[in-house]
Amino acid sequence: GAGVSQSPSNKVTEKGKDVELRCDPISGHTALYWYRQRLGQGLEFLIYFQGNSAPDKSGLPSDRFSAERTGESVSTLTIQRTQQEDSAVYLCASSRRLASTDTQYFGPGTRLTVL
Amino acid sequence: DAKTTQPPSMDCAEGRAANLPCNHSTISGNEYVYWYRQIHSQGPQYIIHGLKNNETNEMASLIITEDRKSSTLILPHATLRDTAVYYCIVIPPGTYKYIFGTGTRLKVLA
Repeated sequence: GAGVSQSPSNKVTEKGKDVELRCDPISGHTALYWYRQRLGQGLEFLIYFQGNSAPDKSGLPSDRFSAERTGESVSTLTIQRTQQEDSAVYLCASSRRLASTDTQYFGPGTRLTVL
Repeated sequence: DAKTTQPPSMDCAEGRAANLPCNHSTISGNEYVYWYRQIHSQGPQYIIHGLKNNETNEMASLIITEDRKSSTLILPHATLRDTAVYYCIVIPPGTYKYIFGTGTRLKVLA
């Protein structure tokens, strides 16, 4: 079946501009996660959503970052007033439910470059 | 949260078994061990996970020591397409935030 998809695959923007990244989870997956991966580094958790529950935003690095999800479908991650340190690959993952034993499946990522 | 330690890099000859070790000496009894890999410029790909018993699937085998303080991921017949960074992570119950370190960079040589 279809996996997690993300768009765009690459985004180049100028410092100070806003960007919006999109994630389509696997159909039927109620939990959705956003991570960031800087060049040569591991994954940093940003936020997760589970159904209609309040999201866990504890990993968002600043108030310039926000994310939304409508029900159990698409999610968007928005970065306002982008800075050069925001340059990274932004990865989305989904799982059947929010449980540590439910495997997270990752999308291909969006590579963001802030000039 | 239990931390994991992996060698930074390994080489393996094509067609041979690749054995990737991971230490997780502070793991607790109800924490799962997961393995993912990341091929250049792609998202992490799930490989296998386990709690206490050894596990095998179409991609790999996972051997967990009896004291659970370490594990080994085995790719039985490595191919060039298995060249990737391999991550071992420990997932505590009630935690959904995967924390990937820098993993092991496996290079399969022709």
